Amino acid sequence: NAGVTQTPKFQVLKTGQSMTLQCAQDMNHEYMSWYRQDPGMGLRLIHYSVGAGITDQGEVPNGYNVSRSTTEDFPLRLLSAAPSQTSVYFCASSYSGGVGTDTQYFGPGTRLTVL
Amino acid sequence: DAKTTQPTSMDCAEGRAANLPCNHSTISGNEYVYWYRQIHSQGPQYIIHGLKNNETNEMASLIITEDRKSSTLILPHATLRDTAVYYCIVKVGNFNKFYFGSGTKLNVKP
Repeated sequence: NAGVTQTPKFQVLKTGQSMTLQCAQDMNHEYMSWYRQDPGMGLRLIHYSVGAGITDQGEVPNGYNVSRSTTEDFPLRLLSAAPSQTSVYFCASSYSGGVGTDTQYFGPGTRLTVL
Repeated sequence: DAKTTQPTSMDCAEGRAANLPCNHSTISGNEYVYWYRQIHSQGPQYIIHGLKNNETNEMASLIITEDRKSSTLILPHATLRDTAVYYCIVKVGNFNKFYFGSGTKLNVKP
């Protein structure tokens, strides 16, 4: 299994540009999440999904859109990039098991710089 | 929502036990405590979780106080590769909404 994969690894955008960060998992996990991590800070939840067709907001959803058309993929869209969105973005997935059995597996991250 | 409090940083000598504390005084009865770590800038890695009993796996031990208001992660024989940021998390609800704090930076020194 490849686990959780993210593309691209690095990206530089200009203010106002849009782009999609890709995330895929091959573990048949129902739950997927997106986090951002600013320098020296912990991870903050952006959006999450409990299954195909179902998404919800986390702590910091503004400026981001998500959709979940398949179990495997959970792309994150930046609609109009801003310098404040410069960060490292992590995707994670987990089983839909009961509380305490839902270990999250994280991807390697996408390092985004908005100029 | 249960929140956690951890020291900003800790030092540990290589080969010694590293004891990382976490305060979660507002935890609810059915909320689990999870520990993850992040080495350098990689994605976080699961370590261990528990509800009220002490837990042990190949990586670490988790000691939860009887009142569940605090816990300690124990790395029995720390190595240089254990240098990382360690996050103590109490999961909110049933939809995998993990709220990471700032964590504890563990520095393992030779």
